Amino acid sequence: AQTVTQSQPEMSVQEAETVTLSCTYDTSESDYYLFWYKQPPSRQMILVIRQEAYKQQNATENRFSVNFQKAAKSFSLKISDSQLGDAAMYFCAFNTGANSKLTFGKGITLSVRP
Amino acid sequence: KAGVTQTPRYLIKTRGQQVTLSCSPISGHRSVSWYQQTPGQGLQFLFEYFSETQRNKGNFPGRFSGRQFSNSRSEMNVSTLELGDSALYLCASSLVAGQFTGELFFGEGSRLTVL
Repeated sequence: AQTVTQSQPEMSVQEAETVTLSCTYDTSESDYYLFWYKQPPSRQMILVIRQEAYKQQNATENRFSVNFQKAAKSFSLKISDSQLGDAAMYFCAFNTGANSKLTFGKGITLSVRP
Repeated sequence: KAGVTQTPRYLIKTRGQQVTLSCSPISGHRSVSWYQQTPGQGLQFLFEYFSETQRNKGNFPGRFSGRQFSNSRSEMNVSTLELGDSALYLCASSLVAGQFTGELFFGEGSRLTVL
């Protein structure tokens, strides 16, 4: 079974600054997918970024990038130039690729200070 | 294209009652998954349906059940409600099941309160 751990329940960042959200996971699979999902206060969860485990290059989507360390089973999300709209709950999630089941971490609440 | 639609958005039930929640996936999406979200347990997978068949099931008691219709719409049912069933129930759809490499599209959820 896979587990996903997000040890920081809350973080705060100043607007325009950079913040890194941490995530570790445990699996015996060699090929899998990792995701960061964002859940704003309106509650609709949206995908922020996706990483395929077989790709060594870290995924990037505009201001969002990941630091994927496969050997360490670490998958952190970096948000650059933080904006007020980035305030939300962020979930790290794991998928084996065999089906669409996601295993989520407990999430981290990010607040952005103006 | 319309997103994932869940109804009702909010509902209040009492212990022992049953509840049915509905989910309409994005047009063309054939896989529908359900998740329970609580402050204590976080997001937990309930089950996934594809082509009217349950393909995967989480670790929940038999009181939790679901089904999918031929138009891919899905319902989940919780019988004999307990206080601990109070949660946000999220539905998510994806284009295909099987070799999943894409993303899930979530609805806004149904907030169930059990008194």
